[in-house]
Amino acid sequence: QVQLQESGPGLVKPSQTLSLTCTVSGGSISNGGYYWSWIRQHPGKGLEWIGYIYYSGTTYYNPSLKSRLTISVDTSKNQFSLRLSSVTAADTAMYYCAKETTGNKRAFDIWGQGTMVTVSS
Amino acid sequence: DIQMTQSPSSLSASVGDRVTITCRASQSISNYLNWYQEKPGTVPKLLLFAASSLQSGVPSRFSGSGSGTDFTLTISSLQPEDFATYYCQQSYSTPRTFGQGTKLEIK
Repeated sequence: QVQLQESGPGLVKPSQTLSLTCTVSGGSISNGGYYWSWIRQHPGKGLEWIGYIYYSGTTYYNPSLKSRLTISVDTSKNQFSLRLSSVTAADTAMYYCAKETTGNKRAFDIWGQGTMVTVSS
Repeated sequence: DIQMTQSPSSLSASVGDRVTITCRASQSISNYLNWYQEKPGTVPKLLLFAASSLQSGVPSRFSGSGSGTDFTLTISSLQPEDFATYYCQQSYSTPRTFGQGTKLEIK
C-alpha cells in the first residue's frame, strides 16, 4: 500500500520561500498512472488544490498560485516537492500531498498526514 | 475554473436518519465527481469516485449519484461515526476544485 509523508519547516518568514517534500513509500513514483498532488487547507476552511506532477516531470498548477509555484520530482529518492515563493500570512495552512490515479478514477485516494505551515516573522 | 457549490453548508441530523447532500458544478463535468469525508484532526478520506463508485472499505450506506452538473451524496442510515464534514471535488479539468464543504452535525 502506497503511503505518503510530508516534511519541511513548520514556520516560514514572510517573503521567503516555503519548501516541502513528500516521500512516497510502498510503491515507485515512476510507475506511472498517478498524478502526485499538493493540496492545502487554510485553518477552519475548505480544501484548495495547489498542483500536481507526473513522474515524467509534467506539471499542472493552480493558476492562482502559478507565478509563485514550482513542483518537482526526484524519482531516485521517490519524492516530489513543492516550492512556493514570496509567502505571506495567506499561505498559512495545512499542506497535504496526495496521490491521484489517472484514467477514469481520477480521485485523491491516498493522502499524507499533512504538515502545518505558519508564515510569520 | 469550474466552481463547485454544495448545499446545505451545514446540516443537523440524528443517528438512523437518511441524509442527502447536493453538489452542483458550474459546467458539465460528466461523472468526474468525487466525495470526501473529513473529521476534525484527521486527513480527508475518499468515499466515492466517478460520482457513484464506492471506494474500497467504505460502508455501503454511502452512495452517490448524478452526472453533468448535479450530484448527490446519500447516507442511508446515519451512524455516530458519520458526523463529519463532506466535500465534493471535480476531476474533469484542472485546476481541480472542491466544494466549500457540508458540516454534518448531531441533532
